[in-house]
Amino acid sequence: AQSVAQPEDQVNVAEGNPLTVKCTYSVSGNPYLFWYVQYPNRGLQFLLKYITGDNLVKGSYGFEAEFNKSQTSFHLKKPSALVSDSALYFCAVRPLTDSWGKLQFGAGTQVVVTP
Amino acid sequence: DSGVTQTPKHLITATGQRVTLRCSPRSGDLSVYWYQQSLDQGLQFLIQYYNGEERAKGNILERFSAQQFPDLHSELNLSSLELGDSALYFCASSASSGSHEQYFGPGTRLTVT
Repeated sequence: AQSVAQPEDQVNVAEGNPLTVKCTYSVSGNPYLFWYVQYPNRGLQFLLKYITGDNLVKGSYGFEAEFNKSQTSFHLKKPSALVSDSALYFCAVRPLTDSWGKLQFGAGTQVVVTP
Repeated sequence: DSGVTQTPKHLITATGQRVTLRCSPRSGDLSVYWYQQSLDQGLQFLIQYYNGEERAKGNILERFSAQQFPDLHSELNLSSLELGDSALYFCASSASSGSHEQYFGPGTRLTVT
């Protein structure tokens, strides 16, 4: 069975500092990996994905994520956080073998960026 | 704006009632997914339709059903509602079943009293 773990319920960071949101996964075979962000009272917005190829993936709003197969991790990073990055972040996984595309989401990590 | 629309935005109803949530996917998207987001269960996949046919089922209760119409919009029907069904219900769409990212609508907040 596949699963996604986001070990931190909340991450606090000062504006201008680096931001990291952690994600580890467990899936049979190779995965597709995704990050989504949810602002209050809004739907989820797609940030980036890893399908294959370069382990460092760049996405929207200056975010990037690094796929690490040996550690089964896909941590989200941003070099310099903004107050507007405060939101709920979800990691999601889909096995390559799942042709119908449903996503398994982590529990979410609340990011709080203080001025 | 993702291009996925959901109506209504909010719904308040009583236990035992039945409601219908509606979703219009992005133009050209054939695949529609329904998810439930609640505080205790997080984001849970419910069901997927592709071009009118059911393709995958997740943690969907028997009291819940869905369908996708020829114009590709989808409806999620929730019946015999219980307090525990109170949640945010999201619809997402993608271009095909093999496409990767899904685009989410703004959600319908259901409150069962």
